Amino acid sequence: AQTVTQSQPEMSVQEAETVTLSCTYDTSESDYYLFWYKQPPSRQMILVIRQEAYKQQNATENRFSVNFQKAAKSFSLKISDSQLGDAAMYFCAYRSVNYGGSQGNLIFGKGTKLSVKP
Amino acid sequence: DSGVTQTPKHLITATGQRVTLRCSPRSGDLSVYWYQQSLDQGLQFLIQYYNGEERAKGNILERFSAQQFPDLHSELNLSSLELGDSALYFCASSARTSGRVSGELFFGEGSRLTVL
Repeated sequence: AQTVTQSQPEMSVQEAETVTLSCTYDTSESDYYLFWYKQPPSRQMILVIRQEAYKQQNATENRFSVNFQKAAKSFSLKISDSQLGDAAMYFCAYRSVNYGGSQGNLIFGKGTKLSVKP
Repeated sequence: DSGVTQTPKHLITATGQRVTLRCSPRSGDLSVYWYQQSLDQGLQFLIQYYNGEERAKGNILERFSAQQFPDLHSELNLSSLELGDSALYFCASSARTSGRVSGELFFGEGSRLTVL
């Protein structure tokens, strides 16, 4: 079974600085998706960024980028120019790519709570 | 707005009672997933439906059941409620393209259940 580990329960960053959140996962599959979801105090789950395992290029969305190391099974999230609105719980998630089967649920890490200091 | 609608947003009930949570997926999405998030915890997968059929089960208690109807909305039934069932229950949906999972799950705003 696949597992996702986020080893940093809490992180803090100064406004306008850069922070990196860590995530490692375990799988025997070669094709899968990895995601970072943000959960602000409103508790809404918001997709931040997505990476497809067969793509070597690291995904980027504005101030958010990932460092995807497939061999090391590592998937870290870098937030540049941190803003107060970035304060939230961040969840790393894994999803199998399934061809005609019945899986496809997200497997989440336990989350990292990010605080942004003004 | 993710396009996934969950009702009710908040629900307070007593131990031993039964409640039903409802989810309408995004238009066209055939898969519905239910997750439970207890206080300060991550999200635990409960169950998945695809086009009316149960497809995967996670850590769902026997007291809990779900179904997906022909119009693709889904209901999660929680019975004999215990204090520990107090949690945020999320529904999510996803599309499917040519047999390959299309990517992210789209989450509703959740139903917050409080059992007193």
